[in-house]
Amino acid sequence: GAVVSQHPSWVICKSGTSVKIECRSLDFQATTMFWYRQFPKQSLMLMATSNEGSKATYEQGVEKDKFLINHASLTLSTLTVTSAHPEDSSFYICSADGGRGSTDTQYFGPGTRLTVL
Amino acid sequence: GENVEQHPSTLSVQEGDSAVIKCTYSDSASNYFPWYKQELGKGPQLIIDIRSNVGEKKDQRIAVTLNKTAKHFSLHITETQPEDSAVYFCAARNSGGYQKVTFGTGTKLQVIP
Repeated sequence: GAVVSQHPSWVICKSGTSVKIECRSLDFQATTMFWYRQFPKQSLMLMATSNEGSKATYEQGVEKDKFLINHASLTLSTLTVTSAHPEDSSFYICSADGGRGSTDTQYFGPGTRLTVL
Repeated sequence: GENVEQHPSTLSVQEGDSAVIKCTYSDSASNYFPWYKQELGKGPQLIIDIRSNVGEKKDQRIAVTLNKTAKHFSLHITETQPEDSAVYFCAARNSGGYQKVTFGTGTKLQVIP
């Protein structure tokens, strides 16, 4: 139980295009989902927190118009990187709360490697 | 806001030896402390967690201790195996109100066969 999936696992795109990443909680309903960004050999940087049916809360310094988050249901959140540029290349990881009846515990997806050419 | 410090940043141990990773946190309101293992190119995997009403928790070769007074918690891995090699992150969270998780900077553990 408490499995979180992400799709795609990796994506390569041209500069200026938009990329959508999906995050799904497969066997539980997630009250809250989180999106992180991770650079090589660094810790996870929280980008935004999303609750189903409401607008995402973005961390300071994260451009909400560039990183669009939609939390359409209790099992699905999407991150769209709009007009991607090479500096957006990174490892994007989502996580979800609520597995195994515990809202404290956060379970992570496998991550999506984005490369912008 | 919460600040979590983690030491050491790298740790090499011989197979079979124990490994200890230590973290400190700043916000006394934090009451949930998970540990994650991250292998290269993968997402973090929860390996053990502890809540503030417990001082120690053990799961087979892995144990976590918490000292709320001193605001520090530690991960102990006994009888290390090569497959334990990974990056480990500690984290702290206040489960009341805004449930943001603050991560430590990570420890790269290498278990030498």
